[in-house]
Amino acid sequence: AAGVIQSPRHLIKEKRETATLKCYPIPRHDTVYWYQQGPGQDPQFLISFYEKMQSDKGSIPDRFSAQQFSDYHSELNMSSLELGDSALYFCASSSNTGELFFGEGSRLTVL
Amino acid sequence: AQRVTQPEKLLSVFKGAPVELKCNYSYSGSPELFWYVQYSRQRLQLLLRHISRESIKGFTADLNKGETSFHLKKPFAQEEDSAMYYCALRGGGYQKVTFGTGTKLQVIP
Repeated sequence: AAGVIQSPRHLIKEKRETATLKCYPIPRHDTVYWYQQGPGQDPQFLISFYEKMQSDKGSIPDRFSAQQFSDYHSELNMSSLELGDSALYFCASSSNTGELFFGEGSRLTVL
Repeated sequence: AQRVTQPEKLLSVFKGAPVELKCNYSYSGSPELFWYVQYSRQRLQLLLRHISRESIKGFTADLNKGETSFHLKKPFAQEEDSAMYYCALRGGGYQKVTFGTGTKLQVIP
């Protein structure tokens, strides 16, 4: 069965650079969530989209932005990267059942 | 505001011993509660949800609204149960899912 696809799996950037993470949800899932998980930390909710509209916002820095496109894939754009942005970024998708299906994550390392 | 609390960062038990992973929540309405599990080097995945009231891999969890708890239990721990366990809450509809800080379960052979 198709799962949530995230790309890239690994990304290394320098401070003050920009990074874009992509998420392809499970077909027919209408909601996408982005979470940030620092080393040894719990997943922190960043932002979610329902039917291409932002549905909820968490602890997402102003330097970050995200959107969901017409094909339901989502992109998380991160600018002016800081060392503290190094983390595993999870995308999850869901339908109306409430169960979240997670991707394998994109590991961002900021040097 | 919704909040999930998992008081234990690490729980070590011997194989065959009972397991209880604690989860307490704070939410003003009627929440949906979930347990997610993350095995080593794998993605987060749903273990069980309170709505389904089923047992998965021998684990059960009962929603206690009076105590605002959703503890995860298993009568006899297995080595393959070693993983990170996250309790999660959704306020309903298409609201965000809030995760607890996670409990690492370590089953000692």
